[in-house]
Amino acid sequence: AQSVSQHNHHVILSEAASLELGCNYSYGGTVNLFWYVQYPGQHLQLLLKYFSGDPLVKGIKGFEAEFIKSKFSFNLRKPSVQWSDTAEYFCAVNSPGSARQLTFGSGTQLTVLP
Amino acid sequence: AAGVIQSPRHLIKEKRETATLKCYPIPRHDTVYWYQQGPGQDPQFLISFYEKMQSDKGSIPDRFSAQQFSDYHSELNMSSLELGDSALYFCASSWRRGGLETEAFFGQGTRLTVV
Repeated sequence: AQSVSQHNHHVILSEAASLELGCNYSYGGTVNLFWYVQYPGQHLQLLLKYFSGDPLVKGIKGFEAEFIKSKFSFNLRKPSVQWSDTAEYFCAVNSPGSARQLTFGSGTQLTVLP
Repeated sequence: AAGVIQSPRHLIKEKRETATLKCYPIPRHDTVYWYQQGPGQDPQFLISFYEKMQSDKGSIPDRFSAQQFSDYHSELNMSSLELGDSALYFCASSWRRGGLETEAFFGQGTRLTVV
């Protein structure tokens, strides 16, 4: 079975600070990797995804993530956060060859102070 | 662009009642997923359908059942509701036929409150 670990449960930053949220997964096979964002009371929105190819993927709103296969990691980064980035961020993984349902990490609540 | 539509958006039920949640996937998507997100929790996979057939099953209680209809919409039926069933229920859809695959697109969710 696959699992996803997000080590930071709550991150508090000031505007313009740089962000890095950790995500590690455990699964020996080929995986698809995702970062979703959930604003308060809203649904999950895709920030970015990795299926194959360039391990550095760029998403919406200035976010990017790097897939490091040897470390089983897919950390999310943003060079300069804004107050509007305050939300919960979920890392997720699925297996393209078989079950495609997403396994989510426990989420990281990001609070950006104005 | 069309998105995943869920109804109702909010639902209040009493214990031991039944509830039916509906999901209308993005047109031409062939896979539907149901997730349950408790307060402060990450979404947990319940069940999925591929081309109207049950595909995978997660942590769905026996009191719950789901199906996908000929028009690809899906319904999650929940019986003998318990207080612990209070949660946000998300439906998602994706395309995976023909070796091509998209990410899952999520609906707005149905917030179920059991009192």
